[in-house]
Amino acid sequence: GDSVTQTEGLVTLTEGLPVMLNCTYQSTYSPFLFWYVQHLNEAPKLLLKSFTDNKRPEHQGFHATLHKSSSSFHLQKSSAQLSDSALYYCASYQGKLIFGQGTKLSIKP
Amino acid sequence: NSKVIQTPRYLVKGQGQKAKMRCIPEKGHPVVFWYQQNKNNEFKFLINFQNQEVLQQIDMTEKRFSAECPSNSPCSLEIQSSEAGDSALYLCASSLPVSNERLFFGHGTKLSVL
Repeated sequence: GDSVTQTEGLVTLTEGLPVMLNCTYQSTYSPFLFWYVQHLNEAPKLLLKSFTDNKRPEHQGFHATLHKSSSSFHLQKSSAQLSDSALYYCASYQGKLIFGQGTKLSIKP
Repeated sequence: NSKVIQTPRYLVKGQGQKAKMRCIPEKGHPVVFWYQQNKNNEFKFLINFQNQEVLQQIDMTEKRFSAECPSNSPCSLEIQSSEAGDSALYLCASSLPVSNERLFFGHGTKLSVL
């Protein structure tokens, strides 16, 4: 069935290092892919979403590239900030939003 | 700031009691979703509506929950007989009826079943 997989439950990095959070999906059709972020005690909110024209979405220094050949939509940032500490969810829209398991990103000084 | 309003923020119930939570979607959003976020932070889709009609729901929701989105009133999700395993954060989200549109989430109702 349709699914989204995030293999890392917890990623701990030192401030300033690059970030990469993995996301792969399985889908019958070509879905729209999203990254949502949830800071502590806050509502989840959209970080970025895939485009239909293969442009690379970017927001707040984060970017993600949709690779249909490998069914991936990994999230990247060149330099982590303390304020990036949060839960990150990859999601795929297939009639409803299907979420991955989530990755907790913890940035240390 | 989220414009999806969920009430109450916290709900404490005993096993076997009903537990009802409400959601006011963002103005102009006809599609409403309910998700359950468990203690491991995993999301489980429960049900979604477009206007007053149910689009999809999982088996558990159909059997144990009562949900509706009446016109001109808040949407609601009610567990008919709470179980300890229902303790979770219940998130409501709304969107436009387009597949690549973002979902706007409320802050959730945290249910504790004692």
